[in-house]
Amino acid sequence: QSALTQPPSASGSPGQSVTISCTGTSSDVGGYHYVSWYQQHPGKAPKLMIYEVSKRPSGVPDRFSGSKSGNTASLTVSGLQAEDEADYYCSSYAGSNKGVFGGGTKLTVL
Amino acid sequence: EVQLVESGGGLVKPGGSLRLSCAASGFTFSSYSMNWVRQAPGKGLEWVSSMRYSSSYIFYADSVKGRFTISRDNAKNSLYLQMNSLRAEDTAVYYCARDLEVDATTLSTFEHWGQGTLVTVSS
Repeated sequence: QSALTQPPSASGSPGQSVTISCTGTSSDVGGYHYVSWYQQHPGKAPKLMIYEVSKRPSGVPDRFSGSKSGNTASLTVSGLQAEDEADYYCSSYAGSNKGVFGGGTKLTVL
Repeated sequence: EVQLVESGGGLVKPGGSLRLSCAASGFTFSSYSMNWVRQAPGKGLEWVSSMRYSSSYIFYADSVKGRFTISRDNAKNSLYLQMNSLRAEDTAVYYCARDLEVDATTLSTFEHWGQGTLVTVSS
């Protein structure tokens, strides 16, 4: 299974919105509703931010939202805050009993 | 509080073996599918293996199939990963992770993670 494609970096100023894309194929992102997003700060374990394309686990601010169109999923962070600076990874069920992650996007808050 | 604590990492020579353990607490272990995810130094996350809550289904990434074996002991609330024929490219922090929902096996929705254990494969 090939990794999902994410931009290596993204940035925005405090208060702004930024969107990170995650592109796969009809065999993974486009074919299933199991798309998740994770936030990872340096030296820490990942944290689930979005699951099933657009659902937020308890405790995740509503500034974080997810969507999907065709083979591309997106994570939008609104009202950027300094603590949002981290690496973000998408993941998807990839069919044939496989899981797959994206390559990761480093979000910088300017 | 859900806790996942990995152990068993270390330095091993190419071709060697290592067994990772993950001790779980704070939830009904036997009701959740469990997973291993790894992260090579400075690199992204890679799904490695998943085991259904009932142990009836086991899944592996192509990169480890035939070399790694996932198992669980629901009586001991523990998950394991037996790693054989280790290669340099297996060097990574290995995370144990729990699926979000009871009775689900999504291979992509991991709500709780351990702190990870580092495996280094080098001569």
